[in-house]
Amino acid sequence: DAGVTQSPTHLIKTRGQQVTLRCSPKSGHDTVSWYQQALGQGPQFIFQYYEEEERQRGNFPDRFSGHQFPNYSSELNVNALLLGDSALYLCASSWGQEVYVGEKLFFGSGTQLSVL
Amino acid sequence: AQSVTQLDSHVSVSEGTPVLLRCNYSSSYSPSLFWYVQHPNKGLQLLLKYTSAATLVKGINGFEAEFKKSETSFHLTKPSAHMSDAAEYFCVVSVPSGGSYIPTFGRGTSLIVHP
Repeated sequence: DAGVTQSPTHLIKTRGQQVTLRCSPKSGHDTVSWYQQALGQGPQFIFQYYEEEERQRGNFPDRFSGHQFPNYSSELNVNALLLGDSALYLCASSWGQEVYVGEKLFFGSGTQLSVL
Repeated sequence: AQSVTQLDSHVSVSEGTPVLLRCNYSSSYSPSLFWYVQHPNKGLQLLLKYTSAATLVKGINGFEAEFKKSETSFHLTKPSAHMSDAAEYFCVVSVPSGGSYIPTFGRGTSLIVHP
């Protein structure tokens, strides 16, 4: 049973560029959340997708957008990259019903994004 | 609003000695609380969770945590540290928001285990 998979594992971009990160959830999961983890910090919630819609959003600008596909996989898009967007981006999956009693998240290993 | 404070950025112990990682939370609602562990170059893994059942929660790898509402704490303990426990640990508080639970992570505590 594959866990949460993310691609690519590492990415280098320059300021102003756009980037797309991808996530496949654990088998049987239908909810995908994205987190940004800056160096030395805890993960910060970006947004959550369920049934192909953004269900919740954290305190991130509109440059951060996402999408969920019918097979529950998800993409995170970041436009007009800034140096401060350099971070580890984590994807977590869960089962939709679980969120009503407290989430048990399964995390991928992340995509390390470096913005130069 | 909700927040979580991990009181130590680093904790250093010797192998075989007890581990205590401290966490305090603030929440307007009855929270769900979690501890996650992050080993280098790996994703976060759930250690244990509290969701208003027993206040003493047992997790994987011998870890446990006690929910103390009066102290708004959820400290993580282990009787005897192992070298493989060296990792980053995150305390997480989660409260309902718009039909879902949005988790807030602490800044993390780095556990260092000496031989």
